Amino acid sequence: KAGVTQTPRYLIKTRGQQVTLSCSPISGHRSVSWYQQTPGQGLQFLFEYFSETQRNKGNFPGRFSGRQFSNSRSEMNVSTLELGDSALYLCASSRDRNYGYTFGSGTRLTVV
Amino acid sequence: QQQVKQSPQSLIVQKGGISIINCAYENTAFDYFPWYQQFPGKGPALLIAIRPDVSEKKEGRFTISFNKSAKQFSLHIMDSQPGDSATYFCAASGRNTGKLIFGQGTTLQVKP
Repeated sequence: KAGVTQTPRYLIKTRGQQVTLSCSPISGHRSVSWYQQTPGQGLQFLFEYFSETQRNKGNFPGRFSGRQFSNSRSEMNVSTLELGDSALYLCASSRDRNYGYTFGSGTRLTVV
Repeated sequence: QQQVKQSPQSLIVQKGGISIINCAYENTAFDYFPWYQQFPGKGPALLIAIRPDVSEKKEGRFTISFNKSAKQFSLHIMDSQPGDSATYFCAASGRNTGKLIFGQGTTLQVKP
């Protein structure tokens, strides 16, 4: 079966711009979570959506937001980009909220 | 209390040897402990996972040992191969949180 699909794979944006990243979960998976990966901070949890509702949120500023659609696809938005937002953004999906999270290959965001 | 501490940061093992990576946690509400393997340019891939009611789980060459009283768990890779060279992350999650807390990662190099 198809895995978790993230688009685009690479993005270059300018400081102050905004960006939207997309994630299509594995069919039947209702939980979608987002993570930021950087060399210095490692893998950090951004937020999790289940049945179109944000159920959990990490310690990131309000510039980071997301949503989930009725087909479980999810989008993540970052507004007013800063240089420090340069990272690999990973999406993971799970059938429920308790186990078996499968990650996508990520979107590499570079802010210049 | 939400941290997961992972060691060592890097590890070099000869082909055929045993690779051991350790993690420690503080939050006793965690009830799911997965290990992920990540290759450059890819997202983390679920390797093996354990719940605290079991002290050991083995899948092929990969074994998780879990010590609930010490709040520690470890990954053992038997007969390590050059193809195992990757970054390994331990993680922990509480029930119905939809959130994985990751260790800082271990870069494993298996020398031929």
